[in-house]
Amino acid sequence: GIQVEQSPPDLILQEGANSTLRCNFSDSVNNLQWFHQNPWGQLINLFYIPSGTKQNGRLSATTVATERYSLLYISSSQTTDSGVYFCAARLKGAAGNKLTFGGGTRVLVKP
Amino acid sequence: DAGVIQSPRHEVTEMGQEVTLRCKPISGHNSLFWYRQTMMRGLELLIYFNNNVPIDDSGMPEDRFSAKMPNASFSTLKIQPSEPRDSAVYFCASSPGGTALANTGELFFGEGSRLTVL
Repeated sequence: GIQVEQSPPDLILQEGANSTLRCNFSDSVNNLQWFHQNPWGQLINLFYIPSGTKQNGRLSATTVATERYSLLYISSSQTTDSGVYFCAARLKGAAGNKLTFGGGTRVLVKP
Repeated sequence: DAGVIQSPRHEVTEMGQEVTLRCKPISGHNSLFWYRQTMMRGLELLIYFNNNVPIDDSGMPEDRFSAKMPNASFSTLKIQPSEPRDSAVYFCASSPGGTALANTGELFFGEGSRLTVL
């Protein structure tokens, strides 16, 4: 099955700093999503981005499907950005419909 | 619009008891997924329904687990008998526009049901 790997596993930021999170996937995909799991455990949709670039406030994401990776950018980080960031991908053309999750990047933003 | 609604939010039970988790997907979504999250294994897909029909249950751990979707607006995940290793957060998610073989719709999660089996 598809493999999804995220890096780095952990990230400590000072408030106001910028950062880049990476997601590599092992095969062509037709769905790539980024989620933020907040400290209360809620999984919040950030981006649905099988290809291209999207921006939402201080967050943006880019997926380069041909090179099998996606990047999530956090600019001017705030303490409320703390939590775990997951990317998840679905294999293109396969009968299966599993959205396979990466292991996550745990982010701590310090005031 | 209401998101995916799960109940109960928290459940504490004793080993051997039956546990039933409930989910109401987003109206109009025709695909429903049950995930389990643990520290050791992360997020795992347990079962996937399309138009109320179970399509892929290969992630269901064992016969103690069963899931049903009697109609488009309701699904249950049952564990009988429960064991301490079943302790986890169980998420329900739904997405629109899929077929049995292909689903590219954006996935939306409920807030999860945290299960503790003593």
